[in-house]
Amino acid sequence: QKEVEQNSGPLSVPEGAIASLNCTYSDRGSQSFFWYRQYSGKSPELIMFIYSNGDKEDGRFTAQLNKASQYVSLLIRDSQPSDSATYLCAVRKGNKLVFGAGTILRVKS
Amino acid sequence: GAVVSQHPSRVICKSGTSVKIECRSLDFQATTMFWYRQFPKQSLMLMATSNEGSKATYEQGVEKDKFLINHASLTLSTLTVTSAHPEDSSFYICSASGLAGGLRGNEQFFGPGTRLTVL
Repeated sequence: QKEVEQNSGPLSVPEGAIASLNCTYSDRGSQSFFWYRQYSGKSPELIMFIYSNGDKEDGRFTAQLNKASQYVSLLIRDSQPSDSATYLCAVRKGNKLVFGAGTILRVKS
Repeated sequence: GAVVSQHPSRVICKSGTSVKIECRSLDFQATTMFWYRQFPKQSLMLMATSNEGSKATYEQGVEKDKFLINHASLTLSTLTVTSAHPEDSSFYICSASGLAGGLRGNEQFFGPGTRLTVL
């Protein structure tokens, strides 16, 4: 079992819709979770981090964490074509981050 | 805040030569820097972790004599790919974490990456 798992996609959503990206992790003791966005040919960019159960909102992005079920998700409201990218989920392990393989999101106009 | 730069952004070299990549944290002190490699259509692979003033910790399977890492200051780390070969061609990305301003030392901020092509 991989430490951090994501559906590779691609996930296709129409412009203006809500995109829902999911991630599960294996270490029940994990405390810190991160979502990065990576455009093709570019390095990852931190979108959000979440440490506590529940929801955390930042603009059009909402991160949701459920430690009991060991999943973290990212919701993107009012999706735009510029949101098309690979979204990487990462879980902190010691002082390192363990990354999922990423989900490709395509927002169609 | 939390800006990380990398230089060069792109390098092409001949097989057998060495290439040095610099990673700098511009507006915070990076207590820890990380070096990743990413092949096309694959996820990030952590190569090593470096703390200022100490030896880097390499991930399993990464040759420390081939990928030399130096973290001489709280704002600069370098990765040297020695005797590069075509199979070393990849996208090399550094990241940094530190304590400054709103940073709590958990977040990693990535540099823009260096695309290495070995002919």
